Amino acid sequence: EAGVAQSPRYKIIEKRQSVAFWCNPISGHATLYWYQQILGQGPKLLIQFQNNGVVDDSQLPKDRFSAERLKGVDSTLKIQPAKLEDSAVYLCASSLWESGTSGNTIYFGEGSWLTVV
Amino acid sequence: GEDVEQSLFLSVREGDSSVINCTYTDSSSTYLYWYKQEPGAGLQLLTYIFSNMDMKQDQRLTVLLNKKDKHLSLRIADTQTGDSAIYFCAEGSGGSYIPTFGRGTSLIVHP
Repeated sequence: EAGVAQSPRYKIIEKRQSVAFWCNPISGHATLYWYQQILGQGPKLLIQFQNNGVVDDSQLPKDRFSAERLKGVDSTLKIQPAKLEDSAVYLCASSLWESGTSGNTIYFGEGSWLTVV
Repeated sequence: GEDVEQSLFLSVREGDSSVINCTYTDSSSTYLYWYKQEPGAGLQLLTYIFSNMDMKQDQRLTVLLNKKDKHLSLRIADTQTGDSAIYFCAEGSGGSYIPTFGRGTSLIVHP
């Protein structure tokens, strides 16, 4: 079974530029997540989608970050304009979980490493 | 303070047992998870325990949960150099059990 795919793996941009990350979840997984992992810290949830709807985006800095999952499969996360403190690994994850079910096994991609200079 | 706390580093000798500890604050946590992250890689789910259990064993891994003290531990028997990684404790609660992560414990295994 193919895992969660992300691209690009690495990106270096200057502050105030924009960047976009792409994620393809495991086939059939209804729920997709974007996490931000700053060096030395644990991952922090930015946004959760179920199919193509947003379940939770309370931690997403909406003045500069946006995410979409238009057809309920692939997703993109965009940052515009980038700040130095956005340097982090952006992890995409997916799970079979849907409302009303119990348990939630989340599978992570390898991450997109962003450096803002 | 942090919702999930872990010590930052643990160093063990190859062949010894490793014990990684974690404390959490949310008494409604339903699932407690352990994830492993190797350098340059994403997070791999190692194991999880439901809150009504106090122990779970899976080959070399043993998870102990003390719900009263909100304390979780991961024991790795016969630790190998390939076990060197960052281990994240996470708690999941609410309707979707989304894990909230600690800062991770770097396990260093030396010969």
